[in-house]
Amino acid sequence: QKEVEQDPGPLSVPEGAIVSLNCTYSNSAFQYFMWYRQYSRKGPELLMYTYSSGNKEDGRFTAQVDKSSKYISLFIRDSQPSDSATYLCAMNSGGYQKVTFGTGTKLQVIP
Amino acid sequence: GAVVSQHPSRVICKSGTSVKIECRSLDFQATTMFWYRQFPKQSLMLMATSNEGSKATYEQGVEKDKFLINHASLTLSTLTVTSAHPEDSSFYICSAPDYQETQYFGPGTRLLVL
Repeated sequence: QKEVEQDPGPLSVPEGAIVSLNCTYSNSAFQYFMWYRQYSRKGPELLMYTYSSGNKEDGRFTAQVDKSSKYISLFIRDSQPSDSATYLCAMNSGGYQKVTFGTGTKLQVIP
Repeated sequence: GAVVSQHPSRVICKSGTSVKIECRSLDFQATTMFWYRQFPKQSLMLMATSNEGSKATYEQGVEKDKFLINHASLTLSTLTVTSAHPEDSSFYICSAPDYQETQYFGPGTRLLVL
């Protein structure tokens, strides 16, 4: 079993839809949770960074962490064609520790 | 957010040559940096942890004599792919945590070995 599981998609939605991206993990040592967006042939771009269970909102993005269920989510409201990218969940046991990634979910927002 | 740069962004070399990739933290100091490799349509795979002032820590299955890492200063880590072969062609990405322990990634270096 992988430490981090993420549905690879692809996920195709119409413009304006709410997108839900999810990851599960098995390592209880993970304490920091991140979501990165990666466009083709580019390095990952940090979207959200959370530490505690609960919700964190930033513009159209909301990150949700449920440590008891070992489940994290990223919600994108009012999705735009420019949101089309691969979204990677990531986590580690401490800020200076190596990051373990999910496989990434490819998202396509259709105009 | 913090900025991490990589140089070069793209390199093409002949089989058997060595290639050096630089990773710099531009506005913060990083005692630790990480090197990843990403094959097409796959996620990032950690290769090694670069530590300023000490030896790098390599992940299982990564040849340390082939992928030489030098953390020369608090803002610079280099990855040298020695005697590169076509199977080393990949996208190499570095990351560094800032003082708030948030990990930022470089733009990546695409290596093509002919």
